[in-house]
Amino acid sequence: ETGVTQTPRHLVMGMTNKKSLKCEQHLGHNAMYWYKQSAKKPLELMFVYNFKEQTENNSVPSRFSPECPNSSHLFLHLHTLQPEDSALYLCASSRGTGGEETQYFGPGTRLLVL
Amino acid sequence: AQSVAQPEDQVNVAEGNPLTVKCTYSVSGNPYLFWYVQYPNRGLQFLLKYITGDNLVKGSYGFEAEFNKSQTSFHLKKPSALVSDSALYFCAVRAVMEYGNKLVFGAGTILRVKS
Repeated sequence: ETGVTQTPRHLVMGMTNKKSLKCEQHLGHNAMYWYKQSAKKPLELMFVYNFKEQTENNSVPSRFSPECPNSSHLFLHLHTLQPEDSALYLCASSRGTGGEETQYFGPGTRLLVL
Repeated sequence: AQSVAQPEDQVNVAEGNPLTVKCTYSVSGNPYLFWYVQYPNRGLQFLLKYITGDNLVKGSYGFEAEFNKSQTSFHLKKPSALVSDSALYFCAVRAVMEYGNKLVFGAGTILRVKS
């Protein structure tokens, strides 16, 4: 395992539900990321946090709301999602956001929106 | 535009044969290149990266990749494939944006190794 954990691993929710995805890293890293992986599409970067500060919001709809209370934890709050939001949501961390830094990924949360 | 192309959706190889998974890139500035592997129902695992130095980079599980600046390529290779190498492989390149760096990923290549 990479030292990045995600819960839950699977989630089914209706379009009116509110749920949260959790990510925790045990690597002492300072940067954390949320990615969306849809079938037959490249990974899409959603949000970047560096030292708890959001440094990038990659034009993500407001129904996705990130939260980073400290450098080890990252949440993705979900509300009023659409069926097209069904995907694998991956969390990653790295020491910093320099281009040479390796990102380490968690196992992902498989989300199904009905 | 800064991008990565993986021209093959799928690569099939017999166990014991050498394998190559292709990747080409387009970036401004010096290219930082990465390979990741994804097994079913798992996240991405880091294999190797090129930042600077020797063009031949060695990584995990016997994989290596060769950086070729003139051909803007970073192909992943392994001398002898194993059935357990069957997975989805992603190439990625560091893209320099106004606000910082981001990784741009290719669409992925499925590698199938048959016994």
